[in-house]
Amino acid sequence: DGGITQSPKYLFRKEGQNVTLSCEQNLNHDAMYWYRQDPGQGLRLIYYSQIVNDFQKGDIAEGYSVSREKKESFPLTVTSAQKNPTAFYLCASSVDGGWIREQYFGPGTRLTVT
Amino acid sequence: ELKVEQNPLFLSMQEGKNYTIYCNYSTTSDRLYWYRQDPGKSLESLFVLLSNGAVKQEGRLMASLDTKARLSTLHITAAVHDLSATYFCAVDSPNQGAQKLVFGQGTRLTINP
Repeated sequence: DGGITQSPKYLFRKEGQNVTLSCEQNLNHDAMYWYRQDPGQGLRLIYYSQIVNDFQKGDIAEGYSVSREKKESFPLTVTSAQKNPTAFYLCASSVDGGWIREQYFGPGTRLTVT
Repeated sequence: ELKVEQNPLFLSMQEGKNYTIYCNYSTTSDRLYWYRQDPGKSLESLFVLLSNGAVKQEGRLMASLDTKARLSTLHITAAVHDLSATYFCAVDSPNQGAQKLVFGQGTRLTINP
């Protein structure tokens, strides 16, 4: 089955610790994205990547880092510099180029930092 | 900077009624997407609207796009409880290359028996 997987589904961390969220896709999509969603809010773009070994900051990149060493994988690290890390994190992917460029979303990771 | 606004943000309606959710956006774009999100879940794609005048329908939901007015609507016909969810519109920002979606705040729809 083709799709996007994120792990873990729930993650609990103490303040001051870095944490890495996993995102894997087997859709052969070039582009991948990370979004943050706070309760009752829309999605905000953290980072995106159009191609392996290249990524760009989104609207709220401060306190986050990413890597794109493989086409299938786009892990997100939430660092201790992120002031309010508790949120629902969604990974997405899309075919880069073309006209439609619809994004497909993974199931999400709910991060709680105390 | 592209801004996307939905209204209403909250909508409570009875089964069997019709209603419309509006999505306004601030700069030129001709690609608009509607998503559905159930509580605690991810986003599910509903519609992709790619040109002025585009209209798409799936069951009791119909979406349309007016690029000149920078407006999309999501119309619900004869609502049923299963349509209770949060609905987001998202607009493709006018940027060559990367697709950067800007999302509206979402409309939380509750359909009561």
